[in-house]
Amino acid sequence: GDSVTQMEGPVTLSEEAFLTINCTYTATGYPSLFWYVQYPGEGLQLLLKATKADDKGSNKGFEATYRKETTSFHLEKGSVQVSDSAVYFCALKTTDSWGKLQFGAGTQVVVTP
Amino acid sequence: DTEVTQTPKHLVMGMTNKKSLKCEQHMGHRAMYWYKQKAKKPPELMFVYSYEKLSINESVPSRFSPECPNSSLLNLHLHALQPEDSALYLCASSRGQGTYEQYFGPGTRLTVT
Repeated sequence: GDSVTQMEGPVTLSEEAFLTINCTYTATGYPSLFWYVQYPGEGLQLLLKATKADDKGSNKGFEATYRKETTSFHLEKGSVQVSDSAVYFCALKTTDSWGKLQFGAGTQVVVTP
Repeated sequence: DTEVTQTPKHLVMGMTNKKSLKCEQHMGHRAMYWYKQKAKKPPELMFVYSYEKLSINESVPSRFSPECPNSSLLNLHLHALQPEDSALYLCASSRGQGTYEQYFGPGTRLTVT
């Protein structure tokens, strides 16, 4: 079955540091890949997406590239801010999944001043 | 506009109460979803509606009863809940059940006493 594996957190960084969150997947169909962010006490926000191999999704300084050869979709940001402290979820949907989003376990990121 | 709204924001109910959660979107999306999220975990899918018809029920106990009165509204009726049902309940919508991205509401924080 489909699955998503994310690096475990919490990831603690200083402001202006470089952030990478690793995400790898297994899928039987052709997945679309997503990163969602959840700030404390809130719902999930779509951060970025990629629908086919070599696509790069980007938003708010975050980027992720759909790598079919390594089945990966790592999230990166060059300079984090305290306001980036949140839980980040990698997720996929396939054409066979009947609309089901398969989530990774989530990675908590804590940015300190 | 990519907004999904949910009411109420917080709900406290006893085990004998009947209450309802409401979700609304005006993006013309034809698929709507209910998720349950426990602390520090990814959301778990409960129900999927497609074109106002129930498409997926993830073996959810009958004390949770979904309803889709029209293409913009989704309700979740609650009856005789247990304390372990306390969680954040998230609504989401997407253009369809395929590989489209899902947009989430802010959630209802439910506490069962």
